[in-house]
Amino acid sequence: AQSVTQLGSHVSVSEGALVLLRCNYSSSVPPYLFWYVQYPNQGLQLLLKYTTGATLVKGINGFEAEFKKSETSFHLTKPSAHMSDAAEYFCAVSSSNAGGTSYGKLTFGQGTILTVHP
Amino acid sequence: ETGVTQSPTHLIKTRGQQVTLRCSSQSGHNTVSWYQQALGQGPQFIFQYYREEENGRGNFPPRFSGLQFPNYSSELNVNALELDDSALYLCASSLGLLAGISYEQYFGPGTRLTVT
Repeated sequence: AQSVTQLGSHVSVSEGALVLLRCNYSSSVPPYLFWYVQYPNQGLQLLLKYTTGATLVKGINGFEAEFKKSETSFHLTKPSAHMSDAAEYFCAVSSSNAGGTSYGKLTFGQGTILTVHP
Repeated sequence: ETGVTQSPTHLIKTRGQQVTLRCSSQSGHNTVSWYQQALGQGPQFIFQYYREEENGRGNFPPRFSGLQFPNYSSELNVNALELDDSALYLCASSLGLLAGISYEQYFGPGTRLTVT
């Protein structure tokens, strides 16, 4: 079974400050990891994903995340917050089923609401 | 390129009624997944369709059912609506299912269902 824990349901930062959103996962097989952003009354937009290879993943809008297997973490960062980053962020995990075919089911965390102050 | 679209945008139903939600997948995508997002929660996987066949189901009762059509569009049907079914229903499409390849899922804007 897979699970995702996002530490902190609300994070508040000042414009220009570092953004750090935390995500820990549990998976019995090598995971695929994702970060999605959701603006009010909208669907989910993919920020970045980790499948295999380089553990530091760069995404859109200046976000990046680092896969740390030993810590089972996939924290999202952005060096300098912008007002337009205010949204809800979801970490998600998927993995192959026993047959090795990507099942594609995403298991999401509870979400972290990011507030950016001027 | 047209993205994932869903209809209707909003819907209000009464407890016990039935509802059908629709999703058009992104061009070229043959896999559709449905998720339920209750207020303040992360999305929960309902089921997935690949080439018109159900390919996995989450922890949802049988009154949640679906279809995928030859053009890969999809429907989510919910019978005997309950108050707890009030949620945002998200559809996501992707390229397909292949071993070792993670195709990202592209989400539609969702349908907001309110059950009174």
